[in-house]
Amino acid sequence: QQQVKQSPQSLIVQKGGISIINCAYENTAFDYFPWYQQFPGKGPALLIAIRPDVSEKKEGRFTISFNKSAKQFSLHIMDSQPGDSATYFCAAEKNTGNQFYFGTGTSLTVIP
Amino acid sequence: DVKVTQSSRYLVKRTGEKVFLECVQDMDHENMFWYRQDPGLGLRLIYFSYDVKMKEKGDIPEGYSVSREKKERFSLILESASTNQTSMYLCASRGWEKLFFGSGTQLSVL
Repeated sequence: QQQVKQSPQSLIVQKGGISIINCAYENTAFDYFPWYQQFPGKGPALLIAIRPDVSEKKEGRFTISFNKSAKQFSLHIMDSQPGDSATYFCAAEKNTGNQFYFGTGTSLTVIP
Repeated sequence: DVKVTQSSRYLVKRTGEKVFLECVQDMDHENMFWYRQDPGLGLRLIYFSYDVKMKEKGDIPEGYSVSREKKERFSLILESASTNQTSMYLCASRGWEKLFFGSGTQLSVL
């Protein structure tokens, strides 16, 4: 059973546009929510992460929005660039555990 | 920078063969992980280890075993490879809240 549900599976955005990827979870024990970015031929790398005590975190063009009551969080990429074309994974970790639960991934293509 | 090195980028094996996937990290991390990545299924945890000789099953441990004899090295073993184990295998080590991944091993079982 998928603990973290991610959508969409793929996304095509024009250069300069906003890319939005959504994730949802059920387990209220989750208290850490990272996003990983994976380029072809490489392993995933941490992009940005948030804890539920804040509703938004911004790092450059990347923003996580977090809605604790809805148990949803999303990644927004502003001014999307062709270099952002990659697969993005959301994840969640319990406050007691050592295991990350990953979403199914979103393949983002930014068209020049 | 943390380096996680997986021994092979591509591997082709026959059904029934015993397969060893090796992973080495250079940051003295205690926690190491093996994931498999399949299209549409994301990253699924096979096994993880929180110390030398210690291991815990993840979500899909069937058909796999692991070995951690030294802190820097974590091996994934397919006792008798099957075609449904054809996949991308990713090793990771954990530093604080961050996973550092290797580049992966694409395993094909024929």
